[in-house]
Amino acid sequence: AQTVTQSQPEMSVQEAETVTLSCTYDTSESNYYLFWYKQPPSRQMILVIRQEAYKQQNATENRFSVNFQKAAKSFSLKISDSQLGDTAMYFCAFMKRGGGTSYGKLTFGQGTILTVHP
Amino acid sequence: KAGVTQTPRYLIKTRGQQVTLSCSPISGHRSVSWYQQTPGQGLQFLFEYFSETQRNKGNFPGRFSGRQFSNSRSEMNVSTLELGDSALYLCASSLSDRVYEQYFGPGTRLTVT
Repeated sequence: AQTVTQSQPEMSVQEAETVTLSCTYDTSESNYYLFWYKQPPSRQMILVIRQEAYKQQNATENRFSVNFQKAAKSFSLKISDSQLGDTAMYFCAFMKRGGGTSYGKLTFGQGTILTVHP
Repeated sequence: KAGVTQTPRYLIKTRGQQVTLSCSPISGHRSVSWYQQTPGQGLQFLFEYFSETQRNKGNFPGRFSGRQFSNSRSEMNVSTLELGDSALYLCASSLSDRVYEQYFGPGTRLTVT
């Protein structure tokens, strides 16, 4: 079974600054995906960024980038130039690649509440 | 393209009753996954349906069941409700060849009294 751990229950950052959210995971699988999801107070879960484990290059989406360390099983999210709209709960998630017990199953961490202050 | 829709958005039920929640996926999406979100347990996977078949199931009691229709709409049912079933229930849909790319609905907030 896979586990995902987010050790920072809450983080805060000033607008325009950079913040990094941490995530570690445990798996015996070699093929998998890692994700960061954002859940604002409206509750709608939104995909922020995805990393495929076989790709060594870290994923980037505009102001969001990840630091994927496969050997260390670490997957952190860096948010640059933080904006008030980034205030949300952020979840790190894992999905095994392939069929069977991986079908449609995301395993989530406990989440990190990020508050961006003006 | 319309997003994932879930109905109802809010629901209050009494312990012992049963409830049915509905999820309409994005047009063209044939995979639907369901999750339960609670403050104590976080987000937990319930089950996944594809082409009217349950392909995967999480570790929940048999009181939790689901189904999928030929138009890919999905329902989940919880029988004999318990106080601990109070939660936000999220569904997510994805394309058959991109099941890793899940699009979530706004959720149904179920309160059991």
